[in-house]
Amino acid sequence: EPEVTQTPSHQVTQMGQEVILRCVPISNHLYFYWYRQILGQKVEFLVSFYNNEISEKSEIFDDQFSVERPDGSNFTLKIRSTKLEDSAMYFCASSPGTGGVSYQPQHFGDGTRLSIL
Amino acid sequence: GIQVEQSPPDLILQEGANSTLRCNFSDSVNNLQWFHQNPWGQLINLFYIPSGTKQNGRLSATTVATERYSLLYISSSQTTDSGVYFCAVAGTYKYIFGTGTRLKVLA
Repeated sequence: EPEVTQTPSHQVTQMGQEVILRCVPISNHLYFYWYRQILGQKVEFLVSFYNNEISEKSEIFDDQFSVERPDGSNFTLKIRSTKLEDSAMYFCASSPGTGGVSYQPQHFGDGTRLSIL
Repeated sequence: GIQVEQSPPDLILQEGANSTLRCNFSDSVNNLQWFHQNPWGQLINLFYIPSGTKQNGRLSATTVATERYSLLYISSSQTTDSGVYFCAVAGTYKYIFGTGTRLKVLA
């Protein structure tokens, strides 16, 4: 069964540094998402992306965050100047998008655990 | 926005026991999924269940969309069922996750 692949599985970065989290969504999917989970808390939506544009973003997704689909297979989340509070598990997801995006299941990757020192 | 609440927040069971986890949501939704987050942090999809009932082995789920709730049943629990169970409902371009039920199954 096709899966969403995230790399790296664990990233350790110094505060103030830039970090890029990478995702390879399922190949025929059209919608891509990033979510964040701070340790011990629920999963929170960050951003959704379709047709090379942001469809929706949360209040968390401020100017230090950006997303990009640099080629036909990768989907990236960049954090420009990391803060201690950015330490979290980051999940990428994708969905087919056909038949109405809100009717389709989302497929999640295994996550990248980001630790800011 | 849509509010999603799960109950109970914590649950401790002896191996072999049955349990029911509940997910309430505040508005009509087109899509609902149940996930199990294992000790390594992975979100494992259990069910995609916008309405009706589905079964997969010892697990089953029922969503009553008109009454805005979903139930996850775990029968004959095993220690490997331990972890956090999340439901997530669909907004237009995102999922809204519940706060989770943390399940611990004792041998």
